[in-house]
Amino acid sequence: AQKITQTQPGMFVQEKEAVTLDCTYDTSDPSYGLFWYKQPSSGEMIFLIYQGSYDQQNATEGRYSLNFQKARKSANLVISASQLGDSAMYFCAMREAAYSSASKIIFGSGTRLSIRP
Amino acid sequence: NAGVTQTPKFRVLKTGQSMTLLCAQDMNHEYMYWYRQDPGMGLRLIHYSVGEGTTAKGEVPDGYNVSRLKKQNFLLGLESAAPSQTSVYFCASRGQRHYEQYFGPGTRLTVT
Repeated sequence: AQKITQTQPGMFVQEKEAVTLDCTYDTSDPSYGLFWYKQPSSGEMIFLIYQGSYDQQNATEGRYSLNFQKARKSANLVISASQLGDSAMYFCAMREAAYSSASKIIFGSGTRLSIRP
Repeated sequence: NAGVTQTPKFRVLKTGQSMTLLCAQDMNHEYMYWYRQDPGMGLRLIHYSVGEGTTAKGEVPDGYNVSRLKKQNFLLGLESAAPSQTSVYFCASRGQRHYEQYFGPGTRLTVT
């Protein structure tokens, strides 16, 4: 069965520093997708970045990059030059059978990131 | 384009009452999902649908029913609400070729 683990319940980082949020996953399916979502205090879920299991390069979106280490089954989110507005909950998620119509996404328990001015 | 909308935004129920949460999307997406989020936890999948007229169980389906009579709407029903169903409920949708799920703003439900 698929599983997502986020071992950091909370993190404090100084503004402008880079931060890495950890995510490990478990699946027996060779075809899967990994996601990161941001949930600010207002409650909405904001999509940040996606990595497919067959993608050759690590995904990047602006200040966000996904450090994908397939052999270690890890998909860490890296935020460069953190900003006060980055303070939020961050969720890692995975979908097995990435190209199947029946595939569904499961979420980790989240990491609360707080940026200090 | 409204994206994904949810009705209502807030609701308070008494134990044993029933209610229906409505999710609507205007992106012509095939797939729709209902999640619940409890304090300090990630989202857990309740039910999902891969197309009009089809539904399937997720991780935590007990106590809920769903219907997808129209492609754009996905309804979540609670027949007899229990305090354990106090949660924030999120609806999401996804297109057939898209990997990203688009989320609604959430419904905060309290059962007393």
